[in-house]
Amino acid sequence: NAGVMQNPRHLVRRRGQEARLRCSPMKGHSHVYWYRQLPEEGLKFMVYLQKENIIDESGMPKERFSAEFPKEGPSILRIQQVVRGDSAAYFCASSPPTGAYNEQFFGPGTRLTVL
Amino acid sequence: AQSVTQLDSQVPVFEEAPVELRCNYSSSVSVYLFWYVQYPNQGLQLLLKYLSGSTLVKGINGFEAEFNKSQTSFHLRKPSVHISDTAEYFCAAATGGGNKLTFGTGTQLKVEL
Repeated sequence: NAGVMQNPRHLVRRRGQEARLRCSPMKGHSHVYWYRQLPEEGLKFMVYLQKENIIDESGMPKERFSAEFPKEGPSILRIQQVVRGDSAAYFCASSPPTGAYNEQFFGPGTRLTVL
Repeated sequence: AQSVTQLDSQVPVFEEAPVELRCNYSSSVSVYLFWYVQYPNQGLQLLLKYLSGSTLVKGINGFEAEFNKSQTSFHLRKPSVHISDTAEYFCAAATGGGNKLTFGTGTQLKVEL
């Protein structure tokens, strides 16, 4: 059973370009979470999605950031008009749909560098 | 709102020595608590978790942690560390439906010969 997959692992963008980060959850998992890790900091929650629904986006910046988890295909975190402050590691986690607490399994992350 | 505090940003320790990484949380409701390990340029791996029941939790790689409600702490311990334990360790908490994790800022454990 493959783990959570993220691609690309490294992404370089110039200021003003768009960044698309992909996350394929573990087989059987229907919940996806995105976290951002800025240099020298812990992970910060961004958004929680289930198939075709955004459940909690309380950690998403109000502008330029969006996320989706379509019925088919991976979850996408999209950052429009990137700025240097967007440089960070972005981690995706997935969890199964059952249980009082749904343990989250993390992917290897996408390291975004904005030049 | 809950918060997680890891007071030690770096902990150097010699191989085969014991180690304790400290974690305190603040929450007015019941919490689920976790320790994750992150090796360089990799994702997070779950070491152990406390959901309920016994306050002493054993995890992988010989690590254990103790949930102390009165002190709102969840310190991570290992009686004898190995070079391969060098990594960043994150404490995290979840409440309610457990839909999102709140992380501490991490502790860099550096094991030296």
